[in-house]
Amino acid sequence: GQSLEQPSEVTAVEGAIVQINCTYQTSGFYGLSWYQQHDGGAPTFLSYNGLDGLEETGRFSSFLSRSDSYGYLLLQELQMKDSASYFCAANMDTGRRALTFGSGTRLQVQP
Amino acid sequence: EPEVTQTPSHQVTQMGQEVILRCVPISNHLYFYWYRQILGQKVEFLVSFYNNEISEKSEIFDDQFSVERPDGSNFTLKIRSTKLEDSAMYFCASSDRGNSPLHFGNGTRLTVT
Repeated sequence: GQSLEQPSEVTAVEGAIVQINCTYQTSGFYGLSWYQQHDGGAPTFLSYNGLDGLEETGRFSSFLSRSDSYGYLLLQELQMKDSASYFCAANMDTGRRALTFGSGTRLQVQP
Repeated sequence: EPEVTQTPSHQVTQMGQEVILRCVPISNHLYFYWYRQILGQKVEFLVSFYNNEISEKSEIFDDQFSVERPDGSNFTLKIRSTKLEDSAMYFCASSDRGNSPLHFGNGTRLTVT
């Protein structure tokens, strides 16, 4: 089947590093995107990996391995404001460009 | 920074009634989307729209749903006969290219009673 799997919850302390994994099964794949959503808010774009490897944007990095159908979002120097849900997203079928979102990982940053 | 705007922020309607949710995408964007999110669940794709026609739709987007770009700025989602299970947050999004990041509006919370 086609799916995007990510852990439902992650807890970490302020200042720490956390990694949110995403594995996918699709019949067509262009790349993996990551979105952040605070409670009551809209999803906002964080990062995109079209090619294998690491993409870095400030405290956030994202990694993709197409051979392993796997990616992750790495958040460094965690701050309280990073408490949110994080979604990986990808197109799920050849010729289908609309993004399908994973179920989301709720990150709780503790002091 | 340009943003996607949605109105109303909250809509309450009775089962069986028609609702129209409105969106103004970012002005130079060419691709428009509707997603919905039932409380506490994932963001689900409904439909994408490009060049004045639907380019993709999901299984959720059945005959009770329709989209329209009535003028050069607005993008609407109509639900003809609402059901209780249509209660959700509806997000409009736009992008400048097919594979570029989605810019979401703040959503319309639809409550069907």
